[in-house]
Amino acid sequence: EVQLVESGGGPVQPGGSLRLSCAASGFTFSSYWMSWVRQAPGKGLEWVACMKQEGTELYYEDSVEGRFTISRDNAKKSLYLQVNSLRAEDAAVYYCVRGGPKLGPEYWGQGALVTVSS
Amino acid sequence: DVVLTQSPLSLPVTLGQPASISCRSSQSLVYSDGNTYLNWFHQRPGQSPRRLIYKVSNRDSGVPDRFSGSGSGTDFTLKISRVEAEDVGIYYCMQGTHWPGTFGQGTRVEIK
Repeated sequence: EVQLVESGGGPVQPGGSLRLSCAASGFTFSSYWMSWVRQAPGKGLEWVACMKQEGTELYYEDSVEGRFTISRDNAKKSLYLQVNSLRAEDAAVYYCVRGGPKLGPEYWGQGALVTVSS
Repeated sequence: DVVLTQSPLSLPVTLGQPASISCRSSQSLVYSDGNTYLNWFHQRPGQSPRRLIYKVSNRDSGVPDRFSGSGSGTDFTLKISRVEAEDVGIYYCMQGTHWPGTFGQGTRVEIK
């Protein structure tokens, strides 16, 4: 069974940082694109970033480029998102997803809530 | 960015009756490889989304055959042949042809 478990969410002050982690199991992690998608409270879905199997291709949504960094450790079957210079509009549930930019997320984690408030 | 416009935004349906959701794109979603990367997702209240359909009309594993997707170019449709109680929630279309992939604003399906 495919499982994606996020951790690292929580309250952060504007301008602050945190690191989201995603532990994957139930599939060959190194064989798949992995991505982060977010959903602001009561709002729709938004791509954040995605990374190809060996990390040779990665993409960021414009509003996060330069502030967020996606990475992966295939040996640990883990995906990460380093988020810096947080803004109020970054407050959202961040989903770790298996899937890339074209076919979209095939599997979703339960999400990690990031709140931004002073 | 490509804008996806869904209609209706709210869809009250009667159990056992059909339902249809439209998704229109601001640009053609035909990719250079000939594929059209238009996908559909369903999010039940309080749950993570789930992909139902990929590349316009391909159902994901475990998705009931009452769900079907169709369309081409810029106009796409998700149909539910007979709505069941478990089908309530928000449906999103998503295009993956142009980066960044974008989602429609969502269509809320509820039982009358």
